This record gives sequence, structure tokens and C-alpha cells, in this order.
Amino acid sequence: AQSVTQLGSHVSVSEGALVLLRCNYSSSVPPYLFWYVQYPNQGLQLLLKYTSAATLVKGINGFEAEFKKSETSFHLTKPSAHMSDAAEYFCAVRSTGNQFYFGTGTSLTVIP
Amino acid sequence: KAGVTQTPRYLIKTRGQQVTLSCSPISGHRSVSWYQQTPGQGLQFLFEYFSETQRNKGNFPGRFSGRQFSNSRSEMNVSTLELGDSALYLCASASRGLAGGQDTQYFGPGTRLTVL
Repeated sequence: AQSVTQLGSHVSVSEGALVLLRCNYSSSVPPYLFWYVQYPNQGLQLLLKYTSAATLVKGINGFEAEFKKSETSFHLTKPSAHMSDAAEYFCAVRSTGNQFYFGTGTSLTVIP
Repeated sequence: KAGVTQTPRYLIKTRGQQVTLSCSPISGHRSVSWYQQTPGQGLQFLFEYFSETQRNKGNFPGRFSGRQFSNSRSEMNVSTLELGDSALYLCASASRGLAGGQDTQYFGPGTRLTVL
């Protein structure tokens, strides 16, 4: 079965510092990969998705992710953290069986 | 274009009762998926409906059921509520749904269910 693993349930960065949220997937075929963000008391908002057109995917709010097949990774980055980036981030993979599997989430704290 | 709406936003029920949650997808979207989110289990897929038919199902007991109407609105029902059913229930809509390749799911704000 396909799955995603998010390393680090909590990540803290200083405002202006690099944000790096890790996601590894297990898949025997090229997957469809997604990053979502969830703010308190809200649903999930799509940040970006891997469409196989390019390994470096740019999303909203300055986030991007790089698909690395050799490492089975799809890490999310942002060059400079902003206070408004504090939220829960979820990596997800869509399986060949057409179900979404979500990682356990990473809570990002931005320190002023 | 209006987003995905879910009603009610908050619910409090007692054990043994049943509950019905509603989801209205984005206009033109025919797929609605339901997820349960809890601190311990994270986000878990319940089921997906497309054109009034259940197309995919997660690993939940039969107490969890759903349906979709001709206007694509969907309801989820949980019977004989248990304490462990306390969770945030999210629905997501998509134009072609989980069989649509890179089709994107758009999530509603969720219904927070508390079972006492």
C-alpha cells in the first residue's frame, strides 16, 4: 500500500529563515503528490501538486517542492518564513487505487 | 465561485445517537470525498461519491455511510455514535474525483463532531 511519511511532527523556524518540511513516499509507480496547509479551525488548502511535468513545483505563498524519485521524497521549502506561515502542513499521495493517503502532518511554528 | 460548504460547523451528540453531516461541493464538481481527522489517527479517507454512486471506500465500519444527491450535494451519516467518533469531518470536492488523475481536491472547513 502506498503511504507518506512526514519527518518531524513539529518544526520551529525564525521569521525570515528557511522552511523545510520533509515528506517521503512509498510508491511502486510514479505517484501524484500534494502538499496541503491547514490553518486552525479550517479545512485543507492546496499548496501545490506534482504533475510530472517538472520536478520542481511552485505553489502558492512562496512555497515550492522538489520531486526526487531516487530519494522518494517531495520536501516542501520556502526561502523566508513569515509569521502567517504558522500552520499544519500535510503531504499526501494519491494511490493507484484512487485513494488519498495523508501524512500525519507537520506543525510549523514561526518565531518572531 | 463559492467554495465547499459544510453544515453544521459544530455538533455535540451523546453516545448511541446518530448524526448527519452535509457537504455542498463547488459548483460543477461531481465528486465528493469524506475524511475523518483526529489527533491520533490524522486524516483518514472515509469514502468518495461520484454522480450519486459510491466509488471508493476507506476502512471504516458500516456505521459510517453516505449518499450523494443529483445536485452533487452529499451527506454522511454516522449511526450509534461512539466516543471515538469525535473528530473533525472534512469533505472535499473535485471535478472528476479520485479517478481523475491530477484532479485537485478542494476541502471544506469541516464539521467538528463531539460525542459525549
